[in-house]
Amino acid sequence: SQQGEEDPQALSIQEGENATMNCSYKTSINNLQWYRQNSGRGLVHLILIRSNEREKHSGRLRVTLDTSKKSSSLLITASRAADTASYFCATDADQGGKLIFGQGTELSVKP
Amino acid sequence: GAVVSQHPSWVICKSGTSVKIECRSLDFQATTMFWYRQFPKQSLMLMATSNEGSKATYEQGVEKDKFLINHASLTLSTLTVTSAHPEDSSFYICSAWDRTNYGYTFGSGTRLTVV
Repeated sequence: SQQGEEDPQALSIQEGENATMNCSYKTSINNLQWYRQNSGRGLVHLILIRSNEREKHSGRLRVTLDTSKKSSSLLITASRAADTASYFCATDADQGGKLIFGQGTELSVKP
Repeated sequence: GAVVSQHPSWVICKSGTSVKIECRSLDFQATTMFWYRQFPKQSLMLMATSNEGSKATYEQGVEKDKFLINHASLTLSTLTVTSAHPEDSSFYICSAWDRTNYGYTFGSGTRLTVV
């Protein structure tokens, strides 16, 4: 069963703008991860944030985690057309346990 | 880094036939493998979890007799879609837990089309 909800389901922005995607989950987690998927392709791991962390950065990516609200956000700054893809959050309750994915956000960055 | 090789990348089969999808961990031992299915414009749905040497654990609503999972070695897990029907057409992705590097590694996926 799906764990999380993501919003928005689809997001269209201009190159150079920032993109923010949100994810909510239902149960306790060990960590939360964000993945990217280009159309019809496999998944690319972007960033992992542990349950005891509140914010994490990686290049143009910034992830926040609020365990009290069971939510996370992914911010992509200075977006590029190449960032066009679907983005998914995924949670696991135990290290090495099953990953449950959110519904995903389809991001379109127009040049 | 850790790599999971998934084959085939795409396959077309006739209704009623069976299709086997393989996932191999190339440079680590995958004690646990996860199998997902993804329909167009949808998220990844976990189908089952397999541990090396034991029977797979299937998610609710997934037919174990239709989706046969074998995880006979620490580097190979297979998913066989038996008696495939057009509604089984989907994108299937495996994922392995790498306990050495504490991370999940995904295969590149298999596009199954049943005609």
